Amino acid sequence: KAGVTQTPRYLIKTRGQQVTLSCSPISGHRSVSWYQQTPGQGLQFLFEYFSETQRNKGNFPGRFSGRQFSNSRSEMNVSTLELGDSALYLCASSPTYRADQETQYFGPGTRLLVL
Amino acid sequence: AQSVTQLDSQVPVFEEAPVELRCNYSSSVSVYLFWYVQYPNQGLQLLLKYLSGSTLVKGINGFEAEFNKSQTSFHLRKPSVHISDTAEYFCAVKAAGNKLTFGGGTRVLVKP
Repeated sequence: KAGVTQTPRYLIKTRGQQVTLSCSPISGHRSVSWYQQTPGQGLQFLFEYFSETQRNKGNFPGRFSGRQFSNSRSEMNVSTLELGDSALYLCASSPTYRADQETQYFGPGTRLLVL
Repeated sequence: AQSVTQLDSQVPVFEEAPVELRCNYSSSVSVYLFWYVQYPNQGLQLLLKYLSGSTLVKGINGFEAEFNKSQTSFHLRKPSVHISDTAEYFCAVKAAGNKLTFGGGTRVLVKP
């Protein structure tokens, strides 16, 4: 079974631009979560989607948004990029069977550099 | 709300020596516990998890962890490390239906 895939893997943008990152979960997984990883703040939760509905949201400004499609693929968008948005963005998916629904499996991440 | 403290930010260890990475958590509700490993320029890989049952959990690559509810700890151990175990290790907790909360990470440097 293929793992979580994220595209693109690397991205360079300039301040003020917007960016869209994509995540394809493991086949059969319906829950997708997004995290931001920076050296200063560590791993911080952005949001979680399940069956196209946002189920949880972290403490990030409204510039950060996401969505999930009917095939469980998810995208996150960051508008009006700031230098501090430079980070590794990680996507994780979770299975729906009860015994393991709390376990998250991570993709390789998208490294975003904002200049 | 939950919080996780990884007591050591860096742990240097010689090859074939044992290693223990400490993790303590705080939560007002029952939580599930996880250890992830991150190799340079990669995502997070699940090492092991405690969902229920036996408090001693065995994971991949020879790692194991013990859940201690009274001490709210979930320390990770490996009896003999290899150079390839050089990585950053993250402890995480999750209450049912909530987000995953991570510790600050522990960098393990295995020396020959």
